[in-house]
Order: sequence, then C-alpha cells, then structure tokens
Amino acid sequence: GAGVSQSPSNKVTEKGKDVELRCDPISGHTALYWYRQRLGQGLEFLIYFQGNSAPDKSGLPSDRFSAERTGESVSTLTIQRTQQEDSAVYLCASSSPGTLSYEQYFGPGTRLTVT
Amino acid sequence: QKEVEQDPGPLSVPEGAIVSLNCTYSNSAFQYFMWYRQYSRKGPELLMYTYSSGNKEDGRFTAQVDKSSKYISLFIRDSQPSDSATYLCAMSGSGGSYIPTFGRGTSLIVHP
Repeated sequence: GAGVSQSPSNKVTEKGKDVELRCDPISGHTALYWYRQRLGQGLEFLIYFQGNSAPDKSGLPSDRFSAERTGESVSTLTIQRTQQEDSAVYLCASSSPGTLSYEQYFGPGTRLTVT
Repeated sequence: QKEVEQDPGPLSVPEGAIVSLNCTYSNSAFQYFMWYRQYSRKGPELLMYTYSSGNKEDGRFTAQVDKSSKYISLFIRDSQPSDSATYLCAMSGSGGSYIPTFGRGTSLIVHP
C-alpha cells in the first residue's frame, strides 16, 4: 500500500512569509508525528497526534509553529513569519493503533529553505 | 548534556568490513531502543528495535543494548556499498511516553 506522503517536497520562501506543509499518513494509522531535522542534526520532535486525543505540542519551538489534523487523516504544519533558522527538513511519521513509537513510518520530508 | 549522544562520523570502511555504530544515553527510563537508516534525501526507515537489554539479530545486522552502561550498538557484518547511509539511534520510555528521542546520526560510507 501507499506509504506516508508529504508535500511539497521542496519549498523556498522569503523570510517573513507563512508556509504550510502537508502530510498524508498511512491509511488507518492513528498516530502522527512531526519532526524537524536540521542539517547534520538528529530529529527534533515537534508535535504528536493520537486519534481524537489532544495533541502533544511540547516540541513546538515557538508560537509561530502550529499544526492541525483532521480526524485520523491529513495533517498540516504551519510556520508563520518564517525565519532563516526555520530552514530544515520537516519529516512526518505515522504509526498504527496498538503499536509503540518504534514502529513509525516516515515520509520523505519537505525541505524548507528560508531566504 | 544531551539525552542521547551519537558520534556523527563520517565513518568510512571498505566493503566487507564489520561496522560498529554506537550511542550512549543518560535517561535510565528508556526501555525501547531503535535503529533507523536514512539514505540521502529520504525519510528514516526502521531497521531494528530492542526492548530492554540484550541482543537481537536480523540478517547482517545485530543490535545490542547494555542498560547498565547506558550504551547501545548496531553491528553490520559484511558491509556493502548499499549500506552507505546515516544511521540514527532512537529510544523511548515505557508507559505513555511514545515520543522517541533521537541521536544526531552517524554517517557511514562503505567503499568498494
């Protein structure tokens, strides 16, 4: 079946603009994660959705970052008033019900460049 | 001190070599230990996971966890050029903590 998809694959934006990144998880996966990966760095957790529970937003670096998820489907990550330090690859992952965090399936990422 | 430490490399080895990749950690609550492989411009893919201490083998790959030393390893036997990638360790606690903490990854280059 189809894996996790993300769009766009690349995004170049000017400092101060807003951007919206999209993630389509694997069908039936109730858990969805967003991560940020700066060049040469590990994955930095941003936000976690699990079914209809309140999302865990503890990793969002500032109030310029927000994310939404409609039910158990698509999620969007929005970055307002982008800054150059927001340049990174944004990865989305999903996992199926009853499994733990090790069974995450990742999308290819969106490479964001803020000029 | 970061919760998970991983040498970024790069680690360059000849084809056929045995590769040892390692991570150390400081949080004794970690119970699940994972290794992901990430090719250039791709998302990470899960290679192996281990619960608590011990070894786990899968083909050419062996994962080892030593909780007493807070040290985990991934061994790759008979390394191939196709193994060239970044290897990320990750770990999480039990109970409700489903959010893994990742190391920064080790870049591995296997040259023919």
